[in-house]
Amino acid sequence: KQEVTQIPAALSVPEGENLVLNCSFTDSAIYNLQWFRQDPGKGLTSLLLIQSSQREQTSGRLNASLDKSSGRSTLYIAASQPGDSATYLCAPLGSGGSNYKLTFGKGTLLTVNP
Amino acid sequence: GAGVSQSPSNKVTEKGKDVELRCDPISGHTALYWYRQSLGQGLEFLIYFQGNSAPDKSGLPSDRFSAERTGGSVSTLTIQRTQQEDSAVYLCASSLQRMSTEAFFGQGTRLTVV
Repeated sequence: KQEVTQIPAALSVPEGENLVLNCSFTDSAIYNLQWFRQDPGKGLTSLLLIQSSQREQTSGRLNASLDKSSGRSTLYIAASQPGDSATYLCAPLGSGGSNYKLTFGKGTLLTVNP
Repeated sequence: GAGVSQSPSNKVTEKGKDVELRCDPISGHTALYWYRQSLGQGLEFLIYFQGNSAPDKSGLPSDRFSAERTGGSVSTLTIQRTQQEDSAVYLCASSLQRMSTEAFFGQGTRLTVV
């Protein structure tokens, strides 16, 4: 059974800082891994999708890396802004057997202070 | 439509009543997922559809829960004889195909059982 852990659970930083969010997963049999953000009371917004054959994916100030064999992914946010404040979730998509779904961690609650 | 649409956005129901939650995926998306997010908890997988078929219904928490998808498009999640522990946000997601493509989430239905 896939298990996903996100560290830290919460993070508070001043505006302008670069930061790293960590995600680890127990089953490396995945098709891809997706990073989402969730604002309070809202649904999930997709940020980045990394295929299992890729090691990195970039979108604007966001950069996600994937080390499939060691079961780790990181999300790097450059020059953080107050608008980045949200909960960030990672979700690997399983590729085999009964592990065919997106499995979510509990997320990292990010607060960027002006 | 432009995105995944869920209705209603909010539902308050009395304990013991049945409720139906609706999900309209992005046009042409064959894969559809239902998740549940309880207060302070992570996202719990409920069911996955590929086309109109649900390969595995074991994520549904009890036999009071059922889901169907018709015409490879709209999906309905039905909860019979609702209980207070069913109170949660129910999220729907769709993707073009299960493998290798990005999943997009709706804004969710907030269900409150009183």
